[in-house]
Amino acid sequence: GQQVMQIPQYQHVQEGEDFTTYCNSSTTLSNIQWYKQRPGGHPVFLIQLVKSGEVKKQKRLTFQFGEAKKNSSLHITATQTTDVGTYFCAAGGATNKLIFGTGTLLAVQP
Amino acid sequence: DAGVTQSPTHLIKTRGQQVTLRCSPKSGHDTVSWYQQALGQGPQFIFQYYEEEERQRGNFPDRFSGHQFPNYSSELNVNALLLGDSALYLCASSLKAGAGETQYFGPGTRLLVL
Repeated sequence: GQQVMQIPQYQHVQEGEDFTTYCNSSTTLSNIQWYKQRPGGHPVFLIQLVKSGEVKKQKRLTFQFGEAKKNSSLHITATQTTDVGTYFCAAGGATNKLIFGTGTLLAVQP
Repeated sequence: DAGVTQSPTHLIKTRGQQVTLRCSPKSGHDTVSWYQQALGQGPQFIFQYYEEEERQRGNFPDRFSGHQFPNYSSELNVNALLLGDSALYLCASSLKAGAGETQYFGPGTRLLVL
C-alpha cells in the first residue's frame, strides 16, 4: 500500500535557527496536507497543497509540493519555542482518507 | 461554533472488554473519519462514515466497527480489546467525503487497555 515517509524523525534546534522536514511518498499524490500536533494535543491542520510545484507561505512557514507530486517539504524560518511539536504530512486521496507520514518531532531550545 | 468534540477524554479497560467512543462533528460537517494514533506514531485511518454508511475502511480487523447517526455524530466500537489497542483515538470531520476537504480533528480519546 501507499507509504509516506518523513525525515528527519527528530530535530533539535536553537531558537532562531531554521528547520526543514521532508515528506516522500511511494506514489503520486492527489494532494498533500500538513498538520502540527503539540505534545499531548491533537493534529491541527496547517495547509493543503494540490498543484505540482506549488509553494505556499504562512508567516515564517513555507510549504512546497514537488514537481512530480511525490514529495513535499515544510520549512520554518527563525524557529520560536511556540513551534515545538510534531509535524505530519498526510497524503489525501479521492475520498479524503488521509495517510499520515511518520512525523518529525521538533524541539526548540530557548 | 463548536469544533469537533469527543467523549470520553480518557478511558481504562481490561483485555477482552468492549469500548464505545463518541464523536460530534464540527457544525455543518457531514463526514466523520476515525484514526488510531499509537504512541510516537502518526495517525492510522480506521474508517470513514458519510450518509450513515461506512465509505472506506483502513487495515483494521472486524473488531473495530462504527456507526453514524442522522445528526452526523458517530461512534467507534472496539470489541475483545487487546493490549495493542491502547492508543489515542481521533475523530476528524469534514464537509463531504470528497478529495481535498479540510479535516478538523477532535481532541481525541486516550484508551489504555490493561
